[in-house]
Amino acid sequence: GALVYQYPRRTICKSGTSMRMECQAVGFQATSVAWYRQSPQKTFELIALSTVNSAIKYEQNFTQEKFPISHPNLSFSSMTVLNAYLEDRGLYLCGARRALSYEQYFGPGTRLTVL
Amino acid sequence: GDKVKQSPSALSLQEGTNSALRCNFSIAATTVQWFLQNPRGSLMNLFYLVPGTKENGRLKSAFDSKESYSTLHIRDAQLEDSGTYFCAAEADSNYQLIWGSGTKLIIKP
Repeated sequence: GALVYQYPRRTICKSGTSMRMECQAVGFQATSVAWYRQSPQKTFELIALSTVNSAIKYEQNFTQEKFPISHPNLSFSSMTVLNAYLEDRGLYLCGARRALSYEQYFGPGTRLTVL
Repeated sequence: GDKVKQSPSALSLQEGTNSALRCNFSIAATTVQWFLQNPRGSLMNLFYLVPGTKENGRLKSAFDSKESYSTLHIRDAQLEDSGTYFCAAEADSNYQLIWGSGTKLIIKP
């Protein structure tokens, strides 16, 4: 079946430090990968989206300098949160869109706590 | 205003009863997805819809693009149905999902 793995599941970092999270789509071909952040208030924000044959597109409130993303292929993606502060807390979700069906499958998320 | 308005925001049901969740769209939604988020935060795919209906076990969902809404019906609710249900719509085939604010569902024994 179609699965999306994320690692780590939860992480704690000190204010001003950085942390890296990974996402892997298994069992299906992904046409796009999107990173979202779910705030403590449960709203979802799109951080960045990458599709086949296009560069990574960051949304208005997010930058490559703050959230650099690396994806050697659409099955694997990693994102780093640089200089994390309290406002960066939340659940970071990776969604991979499946080719042909176009359904978006999500990983379990990486929960970031900043002290 | 909210592009995807989800209702109700919270719902408490007795086990074995039925319920209906709804999303209204102020955007020209082309597809809709429904998810269930468990207390640990994991999102489970429930339905992916183009205009029409789908059914899976005790769940049934409909998407009417002309009237700009989608519904999720839960029949014979079970304890494991508890969690937060989200709808998310796509417009203009730009791959971005626009999310509703969620319905927190509690099933009581």
